[in-house]
Amino acid sequence: TQLLEQSPQFLSIQEGENLTVYCNSSSVFSSLQWYRQEPGEGPVLLVTVVTGGEVKKLKRLTFQFGDARKDSSLHITAAQTGDTGLYLCAGAIEDNAGNMLTFGGGTRLMVKP
Amino acid sequence: DTGVSQDPRHKITKRGQNVTFRCDPISEHNRLYWYRQTLGQGPEFLTYFQNEAQLEKSRLLSDRFSAERPKGSFSTLEIQRTEQGDSAMYLCASSPWTGDMNTEAFFGQGTRLTVV
Repeated sequence: TQLLEQSPQFLSIQEGENLTVYCNSSSVFSSLQWYRQEPGEGPVLLVTVVTGGEVKKLKRLTFQFGDARKDSSLHITAAQTGDTGLYLCAGAIEDNAGNMLTFGGGTRLMVKP
Repeated sequence: DTGVSQDPRHKITKRGQNVTFRCDPISEHNRLYWYRQTLGQGPEFLTYFQNEAQLEKSRLLSDRFSAERPKGSFSTLEIQRTEQGDSAMYLCASSPWTGDMNTEAFFGQGTRLTVV
């Protein structure tokens, strides 16, 4: 059982559509990070959210951290084919002194032209 | 070099053989992490170092797995007597630990292991 549950697991949309990916947990995180991973490559950090209720924008990507710091969402506006990839959320457990990141299972996004 | 470097990128080995992977973290990053990622899953934490000290190793998958970071710079991950179930992507990450729980980790490109 994943500590962090991501949904949906797979998403296939047409270019220009909007989408939202969710990351949920029963645990409280001191911070939550979103990564994007291409096949055969390591995850690349997109953003870190720290404060409950925080919203961060990165061009067409909007990230939100839940008020209770247990969940997060990633919204992509007007998706492009270049957005295709595996999106991973990862949380740093509040009581873990090691800053170990716990990852969700990922959302595989395919944007079709 | 401005990123985490892993070597080799790909490794094919026969079952029962030992393999060793190397990770060079970002310069001056004192935290180094190892993760394993199987197909279709998110990365799974294995172990981490702060400088040369291995502070968490209970998540290593079995006693066939071991990691070292002898001088607090590069690290190696060794798998002895490989099994087909060890086939996965092995990821290394580093971070500049400052005591802040929100320190960001940066990943290398990974080593893809295939055990035949």
